[in-house]
Formats: sequence, C-alpha cells, structure tokens
Amino acid sequence: AQTVTQSQPEMSVQEAETVTLSCTYDTSESDYYLFWYKQPPSRQMILVIRQEAYKQQNATENRFSVNFQKAAKSFSLKISDSQLGDAAMYFCAYRSGDGGATNKLIFGTGTLLAVQP
Amino acid sequence: DAGVTQSPTHLIKTRGQQVTLRCSPKSGHDTVSWYQQALGQGPQFIFQYYEEEERQRGNFPDRFSGHQFPNYSSELNVNALLLGDSALYLCASSLTGTHSYEQYFGPGTRLTVT
Repeated sequence: AQTVTQSQPEMSVQEAETVTLSCTYDTSESDYYLFWYKQPPSRQMILVIRQEAYKQQNATENRFSVNFQKAAKSFSLKISDSQLGDAAMYFCAYRSGDGGATNKLIFGTGTLLAVQP
Repeated sequence: DAGVTQSPTHLIKTRGQQVTLRCSPKSGHDTVSWYQQALGQGPQFIFQYYEEEERQRGNFPDRFSGHQFPNYSSELNVNALLLGDSALYLCASSLTGTHSYEQYFGPGTRLTVT
C-alpha cells in the first residue's frame, strides 16, 4: 500500500523569505501523481501544485515550486517570497496513475505553516 | 462557474443517530469522492461514486454509505453514529477521463457527535 509522510508538523517563515516543506512517499508503482494542497482556516482544500511522475521537470506555479526526486521518493514544496496569505495547513498527496481505476488521494498528516510579518 | 458545494456547514448529532451529508459537484464534473478528516489529521478516503455507483471504497465500515444522483450530486450517510465519527467531511469532484482527474474540494461539513 502507498503511504505519504510529512515529518514537519509545524514550520515558520518570515514574510518575503523562502521556506521548504518536506514530503516522502512509498510506492511500488511507476506511474502516479503527486500533489500539494493548501487548507486555510476556512477549511477549503485548494490545489497548489501537481507533479506527474513520468515528467522529469519539476513543476512550478508562480511562487510555488517542487523538488521531485523520484528515486528517493521525495517531493518537497518550496514557497518563495512568502506572503501572509500563505499561512495554512499544507498536505502532500499521492494518486495512482492507473488510468483512472484508482482515483483516491492518499494524504500525509500535514504541515502547519505560519508566516511571520 | 459554481465550485463544489456541501451542506450543511455544521451538524451536531447524538451517538446512535443517523446523518446525511450532501454534495454538489463542480459544474461539468461527474465523479464525487468523500473524505473524512479528523482533527489534526490528513483526509482519509471513504469512497467514490461514478455513474451512480460506488466505484472504490476505503477502509470504512458499512455504517458509511452513499448515493449519487443522475445530476451527479451525492449524499454520504452514516448510521449508528459513534463519538469517533466526529470529523470534517470533505467532498471532492472530478471529471473521469481527463488527464489527471484533478479533484476539487468543497468547504466541508463539520460533524460533531455527542
């Protein structure tokens, strides 16, 4: 069975600085997707960034980028120029890429990010 | 374009009672997944509905059941509520057949069992 591990329960960053959130996963599959979701106090889970395992290039979305190390099964999220609105719980998630038969997301336990003004 | 909506926002029930939670998917989506998020934890997959049938199920007892309607909306039913069922219940919708089956989440229903 696949597992997702986030070893940092809490992180803090100064406004305008850069922070990296860690995520490792375990799988025997070769085709899969990895996601970072943000959950602010409003509770709505928002997709931050997505990475397809077959792509070697790391995904980027504006201030958000990932460091995808497939051999090491590592998928970290880097937030550049941190803003107060980035404060939230961040979840790393895994999904099998088996053509849609398995569409469930497997989540880590989350990292609570605080942004200091 | 309306996103995923869920009702009610909050709910308080007593042990042993039954509860029904509702979800309307994002416009154009045909697949609905339900997740349970206990306090301080990541969401856990309950089940997924597609074409009005349960397509996949997580490790949850039969007290958890669901339904999908022809308009793709969905209900989650929980019978014989236990204190441990207190959690945030999230609904996510997606479109089967698209590249990454990206899931869009609703704001959740907070269920408290006393």
